Amino acid sequence: QVQLVQSGAEVKKPGASVKVSCEASGYIFNKYGISWVRQAPGQGLEWMGWISAYNGNTKYAQKLQGRVTMTTDTSTSTAYMELRSLRSDDTAVYYCARDIAAAALKFDYWGQGTLVTVSS
Amino acid sequence: DIQMTQSPSSLSASVGDRVTVTCRASQSISSYLNWYQQKPGKAPKLLIFAASSLQSGVPSRFSGSGSGTEFTLTISSLQPEDFATYYCQQSYSTPLTFGGGTKVEIK
Repeated sequence: QVQLVQSGAEVKKPGASVKVSCEASGYIFNKYGISWVRQAPGQGLEWMGWISAYNGNTKYAQKLQGRVTMTTDTSTSTAYMELRSLRSDDTAVYYCARDIAAAALKFDYWGQGTLVTVSS
Repeated sequence: DIQMTQSPSSLSASVGDRVTVTCRASQSISSYLNWYQQKPGKAPKLLIFAASSLQSGVPSRFSGSGSGTEFTLTISSLQPEDFATYYCQQSYSTPLTFGGGTKVEIK
């Protein structure tokens, strides 16, 4: 069965960086993409960006451009999301979700979420 | 960016009720519209994709319709496990955007 297992909760200080991992199993990793979606406490869903595990192409939300990098390691079927220059409003649950390989489109399987808390 | 507006933001309903949630896009998105269900403390779950296609494993009481700028999610007979928050999401263009959510509560 398809599973996405994310790394554990993180507490970071403002200005620091965080890197969240998402290990996929149960499907052929490089035939799909991964999108990252975050949810601030009590708020709605925000798409952060997408990476194709097939060719490494990426698309990022404009508001995060320059602070976010998404990568994949096909040898371990793992996707990574790094967010730099953290601010308090980056406090959120971060989800990875399986997407299609060619474009950001729909998220049919999700990781369990990783809480990132940014606090001094 | 394409703005997605859901209504209502919350509703109260009873088991067995027919429930409809509306989602409007700020411009035409053809049928590039997906619906998700989220329960507290859990990741969202894909219910409907491409406006009206039922995701595998999702009960047939869920259905979606619409195209262009106006879409609906219908639950034909609300079940206890359906009390949750529902989100629409457009995939017509990046950045992908979500509606603000509709919380379905027990009456």
